[in-house]
Amino acid sequence: EAEVAQSPRYKITEKSQAVAFWCDPISGHATLYWYRQILGQGPELLVQFQDESVVDDSQLPKDRFSAERLKGVDSTLKIQPAELGDSAMYLCASSSIGTEDNEQFFGPGTRLTVL
Amino acid sequence: DAKTTQPTSMDCAEGRAANLPCNHSTISGNEYVYWYRQIHSQGPQYIIHGLKNNETNEMASLIITEDRKSSTLILPHATLRDTAVYYCIVSFFTGGFKTIFGAGTRLFVKA
Repeated sequence: EAEVAQSPRYKITEKSQAVAFWCDPISGHATLYWYRQILGQGPELLVQFQDESVVDDSQLPKDRFSAERLKGVDSTLKIQPAELGDSAMYLCASSSIGTEDNEQFFGPGTRLTVL
Repeated sequence: DAKTTQPTSMDCAEGRAANLPCNHSTISGNEYVYWYRQIHSQGPQYIIHGLKNNETNEMASLIITEDRKSSTLILPHATLRDTAVYYCIVSFFTGGFKTIFGAGTRLFVKA
């Protein structure tokens, strides 16, 4: 069964350093999402791509976060510089285009710890 | 976007039905109700979705009230592996789906 791949699974960094997370969605899925999940809370959407275009980045802290999906396939989320409050699980999800079925398939996530 | 309200936590005995309620009183006519669950340290997993009619699949049943202001997810025979956080979401399509997760309901299935 096809899965969403993410790497690394765990990342420990010091504040003010740069970090990057990678996501490979399920083949053929045009929509890709990046979520941040703080412990004890539900996932919060950071950015949503349709192919290579950003369709929603209203919750992305653009002063330090950036996301790209250059060829409309895999995607990278970057934080520079990292802050203590960025410690969280970063989840990637993908879905196919549909007017009803928005089943999102989630990857295992990257757990970031900022020291 | 419509907001959802769910109980913070619930308990259920193993083998019994688990009924998880969700209020979405501001839901619009074109918004679907989706349910996901998240087992500890894993990404969320899709369970089921519906618009007006009740739905059933191999995992669960979804009962939506006639006025669509609330719904119930039913796990017919809960097992210990169903212990998870369950999220009720309303979402609509406008060239892309908007998905807003709340805090969800933490379901504890006890032996």
